[in-house]
Amino acid sequence: QKEVEQDPGPLSVPEGAIVSLNCTYSNSAFQYFMWYRQYSRKGPELLMYTYSSGNKEDGRFTAQVDKSSKYISLFIRDSQPSDSATYLCALLLYGQNFVFGPGTRLSVLP
Amino acid sequence: KAGVTQTPRYLIKTRGQQVTLSCSPISGHRSVSWYQQTPGQGLQFLFEYFSETQRNKGNFPGRFSGRQFSNSRSEMNVSTLELGDSALYLCASRSTEVNSPLHFGNGTRLTVT
Repeated sequence: QKEVEQDPGPLSVPEGAIVSLNCTYSNSAFQYFMWYRQYSRKGPELLMYTYSSGNKEDGRFTAQVDKSSKYISLFIRDSQPSDSATYLCALLLYGQNFVFGPGTRLSVLP
Repeated sequence: KAGVTQTPRYLIKTRGQQVTLSCSPISGHRSVSWYQQTPGQGLQFLFEYFSETQRNKGNFPGRFSGRQFSNSRSEMNVSTLELGDSALYLCASRSTEVNSPLHFGNGTRLTVT
């Protein structure tokens, strides 16, 4: 079983839709959770960073962590064509290396 | 605050050559990590440097090496290039706060022919 699993997509949605991106992980010891957005020919950009179960909001983005189910989600409200990118989840265990999901490619159609 | 800067953006090399990539971290960040990104393998950790010392190393052959300077700038070197080394090489820096997240540069796209 891989440490972090993520549906690779591609996921296509119409503009204005609510998008749900998900990662599951196997090691319950992970403590810190991040979402990165990566546009084509660019490096990953940090979107959200959280360490507790529950929801964290930032504008149109909500990160949700369920440690008991080992499941994290990123919700995008009112999606825009500019949200078209690859979204990577990343997990961190205290003092260890970051573990990245393979990424989900999202396409928001105008 | 300026972000992580990587140079060059693009490189084309032939098999057997060597290459050096450069990274300038965010001001004040002393930790610099390097990653290789390919479509098939995703993001793979190469190594991390902190205060000029290698702190962690991934599962890459010895042809991949790095160093960090006293100003926290870092270089990565790949010797005896192979076709399979074609990838996007990403540098990331992070602050000294415990468990702070990574901040990435835009990478160097290396093509080996």
